[in-house]
Amino acid sequence: SQQGEEDPQALSIQEGENATMNCSYKTSINNLQWYRQNSGRGLVHLILIRSNEREKHSGRLRVTLDTSKKSSSLLITASRAADTASYFCATDEGRNSGGYQKVTFGTGTKLQVIP
Amino acid sequence: GAGVSQTPSNKVTEKGKYVELRCDPISGHTALYWYRQSLGQGPEFLIYFQGTGAADDSGLPNDRFFAVRPEGSVSTLKIQRTERGDSAVYLCASSRYGGNTEAFFGQGTRLTVV
Repeated sequence: SQQGEEDPQALSIQEGENATMNCSYKTSINNLQWYRQNSGRGLVHLILIRSNEREKHSGRLRVTLDTSKKSSSLLITASRAADTASYFCATDEGRNSGGYQKVTFGTGTKLQVIP
Repeated sequence: GAGVSQTPSNKVTEKGKYVELRCDPISGHTALYWYRQSLGQGPEFLIYFQGTGAADDSGLPNDRFFAVRPEGSVSTLKIQRTERGDSAVYLCASSRYGGNTEAFFGQGTRLTVV
């Protein structure tokens, strides 16, 4: 099952422009993370935002979280060709009967930055 | 090791055969996750270990899939009687504490069932 859904599915921009992608999720969460995946296979962690935070920055990345709307956005400023990748949000779905949280990923946004 | 290691990186098997996929997590990480990713899709949750035990195996699609982590470190994902629909990239990740904290991913095993 996938908890999150990213929007848009694909995005193509010119180098230097900003890229914004959104994630919507279904159940209440503790944390939300954004990951990046190049055309290879491994995912790389970008940033984590807690449910009691509204905005977080890391370098050229800015993440916002609106728990009332169950949505998050990732903004990449001054994009570079090297930012070309797929971006996924990851959320926890609350605790199972054993008290554990599983982490599920959204469907991803495929970003292409044209030099 | 420095990162999460998955072996083999590629596996081609015939329909009906049994396969094992291995994951070596980062030393000291108590949480280990298996995901499956098909082309153009996000990683699909399969199973989550906290230490040696499966904390959540609700993502395993059916009883042909099984995973173990006997000593709380290396994990093996086992698939019996493989089907063509099992073809995908199988990703393993580990994190220090579990929950929704930063996870480190391996490069995956691309499984092709012919």
